[in-house]
Amino acid sequence: AQKVTQAQTEISVVEKEDVTLDCVYETRDTTYYLFWYKQPPSGELVFLIRRNSFDEQNEISGRYSWNFQKSTSSFNFTITASQVVDSAVYFCALSIPNRDDKIIFGKGTRLHILP
Amino acid sequence: DTEVTQTPKHLVMGMTNKKSLKCEQHMGHRAMYWYKQKAKKPPELMFVYSYEKLSINESVPSRFSPECPNSSLLNLHLHALQPEDSALYLCASSQGRLAGGQSAQYFGPGTRLLVL
Repeated sequence: AQKVTQAQTEISVVEKEDVTLDCVYETRDTTYYLFWYKQPPSGELVFLIRRNSFDEQNEISGRYSWNFQKSTSSFNFTITASQVVDSAVYFCALSIPNRDDKIIFGKGTRLHILP
Repeated sequence: DTEVTQTPKHLVMGMTNKKSLKCEQHMGHRAMYWYKQKAKKPPELMFVYSYEKLSINESVPSRFSPECPNSSLLNLHLHALQPEDSALYLCASSQGRLAGGQSAQYFGPGTRLLVL
């Protein structure tokens, strides 16, 4: 069975601090995709990144970076120099291709950036 | 700006009403989805349409009826809802499984539904 665990339910940090959101996944499939989504208070889920299981290179996009480690089944997300606009719920998700169109969401981490 | 649009943004309805939620995407995607999201929970998949055909129905009660008139449009018809159906309803689209992998799903802003 597939599962995504985001152990951090809620995190609060002061603006300009760095923060890492943890994501641990479970699957027996060798081919899979991992995603991060951001959901601000407005409600829309915003796609941030997709990573396939064969690409373990870390990725950086501006203040955002992702660390994918298959050895620990983790796909962690770091925000550097956080800003108040980063306040949102962040979901990590997993999908298995060639099975169905489902993506499995973690329970989300609510991030508060305090001014 | 999102390329998946949803109307209305807010909807209040009684348990005897019939209403419809609408979703439209302009990205040429061939898979479209309806999700239900309760407060402080992740989205729950309801329906998937792939190439305008219903491919997944996650045992959703018949008071929710999806419709895909064409590849760009997705409707969710609501009838005789219960107060516990109050939630954020999200539409999403993706290139689907035929795009050489599992493409990302792109979400609309959602419809906040309140059933009285």
